[in-house]
Amino acid sequence: KNEVEQSPQNLTAQEGEFITINCSYSVGISALHWLQQHPGGGIVSLFMLSSGKKKHGRLIATINIQEKHSSLHITASHPRDSAVYICAVEHWIIQGAQKLVFGQGTRLTINP
Amino acid sequence: DSGVTQTPKHLITATGQRVTLRCSPRSGDLSVYWYQQSLDQGLQFLIQYYNGEERAKGNILERFSAQQFPDLHSELNLSSLELGDSALYFCASSPRGHPLSGEQYFGPGTRLTVT
Repeated sequence: KNEVEQSPQNLTAQEGEFITINCSYSVGISALHWLQQHPGGGIVSLFMLSSGKKKHGRLIATINIQEKHSSLHITASHPRDSAVYICAVEHWIIQGAQKLVFGQGTRLTINP
Repeated sequence: DSGVTQTPKHLITATGQRVTLRCSPRSGDLSVYWYQQSLDQGLQFLIQYYNGEERAKGNILERFSAQQFPDLHSELNLSSLELGDSALYFCASSPRGHPLSGEQYFGPGTRLTVT
């Protein structure tokens, strides 16, 4: 079992729909990151969170530390949201050293 | 634009060769991370440097090495290249190494093709 599991692996929706992508992890973490990878390959950091909820525009990320679960929501989805969304958990190895462990990604396609 | 630059953008080389990938972090960021993204393995953490010192190692092969220079740019050296090393290599930077990492800013990546 992977340390970070995302679901679904692929998601196709119509423009305007509310989108939810889930991430579950199996070990204690210091933070969780949501990343967006565009079709051209570039990676953008969307959120870093260690508790609660964060919102940026139409994107909302939540995390439940006790349940080891995070969700990324997109409201009023648009074709330009089509991308791969990657969940990554952050571990502290030693003080001052951290590493990210990545989920396999969710490929989102929004049709007009 | 994240402010992180990587060169070259594309690199095609033959098995057995050695290449160097370069990364310049965002101005003021002290931490640099290297990641490998291959089709079968997804994104994997390779190594972290903080202010010139190696801080953490991930799944980095012995044939690979990295360093961070006094001006904070970093280089990833890949030697004795194999077909399986073909991948996208990303560099990311963040302001701190400790106590909290902060958000990471990714470069555009270097696509390495080994033939």
